[in-house]
Amino acid sequence: LAKTTQPISMDSYEGQEVNITCSHNNIATNDYITWYQQFPSQGPRFIIQGYKTKVTNEVASLFIPADRKSSTLSLPRVSLSDTAVYYCLVGDIGGYNKLIFGAGTRLAVHP
Amino acid sequence: GAVVSQHPSRVICKSGTSVKIECRSLDFQATTMFWYRQFPKQSLMLMATSNEGSKATYEQGVEKDKFLINHASLTLSTLTVTSAHPEDSSFYICSAVSTEAFFGQGTRLTVV
Repeated sequence: LAKTTQPISMDSYEGQEVNITCSHNNIATNDYITWYQQFPSQGPRFIIQGYKTKVTNEVASLFIPADRKSSTLSLPRVSLSDTAVYYCLVGDIGGYNKLIFGAGTRLAVHP
Repeated sequence: GAVVSQHPSRVICKSGTSVKIECRSLDFQATTMFWYRQFPKQSLMLMATSNEGSKATYEQGVEKDKFLINHASLTLSTLTVTSAHPEDSSFYICSAVSTEAFFGQGTRLTVV
């Protein structure tokens, strides 16, 4: 299982773009990269998933370099409601033997 | 998207009693479900992996006789905290996997 490393915390202001980078040096060929958001006293919520290059959906973009040893979650124009903990997970999409969470990144968005 | 329902969302029980938490995948079949425990300001800690029709696989340090997991069908897994003690008070979260992992809303257990 690829271990992930993220910054413990980040601060931003409303309207700014936030980029959170996750390192996963031991990612395996079959592994996908998935990002989750968690608010206090709630279960994690899926944000985005990718394998390589760039993936974009209605809430975020995910940038993955060619070596796939890291990934960057990009949140455009954050608002106060984006204050949460963000986790990146790496695993085999078809065979989640274990889903191990790292420490996550605590993002605080300020007015 | 797929929905995972966890029940109850909040429970208070007396020390020494047992509490059952249910995790249901509402619109898909999940051969694998995960159970997590989360303490305040900490990340999710995997407790066990539950596979339909077989015994759960527990992580090191998790007592299988204390945290009983049953995965009787492809849409339901249960976690029973037996003889609960105040130190078992925590936020418990389940996850069901199909093509990706979906999480329940969590259960806040308080043992008094």
